[in-house]
Amino acid sequence: AQRVTQPEKLLSVFKGAPVELKCNYSYSGSPELFWYVQYSRQRLQLLLRHISRESIKGFTADLNKGETSFHLKKPFAQEEDSAMYYCAHLSGNTGKLIFGQGTTLQVKP
Amino acid sequence: NAGVTQTPKFQVLKTGQSMTLQCAQDMNHNSMYWYRQDPGMGLRLIYYSASEGTTDKGEVPNGYNVSRLNKREFSLRLESAAPSQTSVYFCASSTGKSYEQYFGPGTRLTVT
Repeated sequence: AQRVTQPEKLLSVFKGAPVELKCNYSYSGSPELFWYVQYSRQRLQLLLRHISRESIKGFTADLNKGETSFHLKKPFAQEEDSAMYYCAHLSGNTGKLIFGQGTTLQVKP
Repeated sequence: NAGVTQTPKFQVLKTGQSMTLQCAQDMNHNSMYWYRQDPGMGLRLIYYSASEGTTDKGEVPNGYNVSRLNKREFSLRLESAAPSQTSVYFCASSTGKSYEQYFGPGTRLTVT
């Protein structure tokens, strides 16, 4: 079965420190992977998708098929990055997403 | 545009009571989804509707039913609520092709 694993429930860093939120997936084909973010009192929203290979709010994520990973990285964390982050994998052709357990990022001043 | 709207925002039920969570979108999306969010479990798909007139089970459908009333509206019904259904429920929609899902604000349900 397809699965997305985010091993860290909570990641706490100081402002200006590098951030890496881990995501591993289990899928034998070519995966379609995404990162969604939920800021406090806001809706869950798309942060970035691997096929676009873009940087959003300073975050990047590279698909590593060998390690079956899609870690989210940012070189210098900001306090406004504090949020819940979900890694997700597209399942089938109906737009269904399989989400990981989520990681809360806490950026301390 | 309001995007995806959900009602109610909060609800407290007693075990055995029934209720319907409402969801509507004004983006002309084909696909709609219902998720539940629980601490340490992430978001889990309950039911989805790939297009008007179709519904399919997701990962955790037991205890729920859904209705795709029209292209805009997708409701989730709890026929006999149980404490295990205490959760935050999110509705989402997408075109189905772009795969970006747009989420509603959520409904926080407590079953006592």
